[in-house]
Amino acid sequence: GEDVEQSLFLSVREGDSSVINCTYTDSSSTYLYWYKQEPGAGLQLLTYIFSNMDMKQDQRLTVLLNKKDKHLSLRIADTQTGDSAIYFCAESITGGSYIPTFGRGTSLIVHP
Amino acid sequence: EPEVTQTPSHQVTQMGQEVILRCVPISNHLYFYWYRQILGQKVEFLVSFYNNEISEKSEIFDDQFSVERPDGSNFTLKIRSTKLEDSAMYFCASSEQGQNTGELFFGEGSRLTVL
Repeated sequence: GEDVEQSLFLSVREGDSSVINCTYTDSSSTYLYWYKQEPGAGLQLLTYIFSNMDMKQDQRLTVLLNKKDKHLSLRIADTQTGDSAIYFCAESITGGSYIPTFGRGTSLIVHP
Repeated sequence: EPEVTQTPSHQVTQMGQEVILRCVPISNHLYFYWYRQILGQKVEFLVSFYNNEISEKSEIFDDQFSVERPDGSNFTLKIRSTKLEDSAMYFCASSEQGQNTGELFFGEGSRLTVL
């Protein structure tokens, strides 16, 4: 079955890079996602990567996918206090529904 | 910007009581979902709904749970007889037909506390 694991907390200094890691179990994953949840808000899709890609970059965000190790990471360059949130890794597999399976979320705390 | 809205934001109930959580998905979306997150645990899939019927459900979604789209805008989750372990944040989500990237749009969640 599908399972997604990620660490619970990450604390970084403002201006540094943040790297949030995730491992998943299903080798037939089609899409891998990063969702962001700000305080008092719902989960919001931040970025996603298709499984035939190794890397995707979008402004300050870089997603790296290592299919061999089933490892996904999200790097946030020049982390700002506004990046403080919970970041959820998720995967979906081919099968028609593409219903994502989520991890438990990593709380990113950015301090001055 | 269109958004998914959920009510109530927080509900406290006694064990054994029925609870209905309400959601208004984004108006042109056709797929609807409920997820839940018990404190400190993963966001777990409960059920998906399309074309007025359940399309998928997880093992968590047993006979105590039901979903309904009573009119053209609301999507509800009912828990018939709540248990202590039903205490969680319940998230509603919707997605647009034809979106094969699986992007879901989530509401802010309804926190259910069962005493």
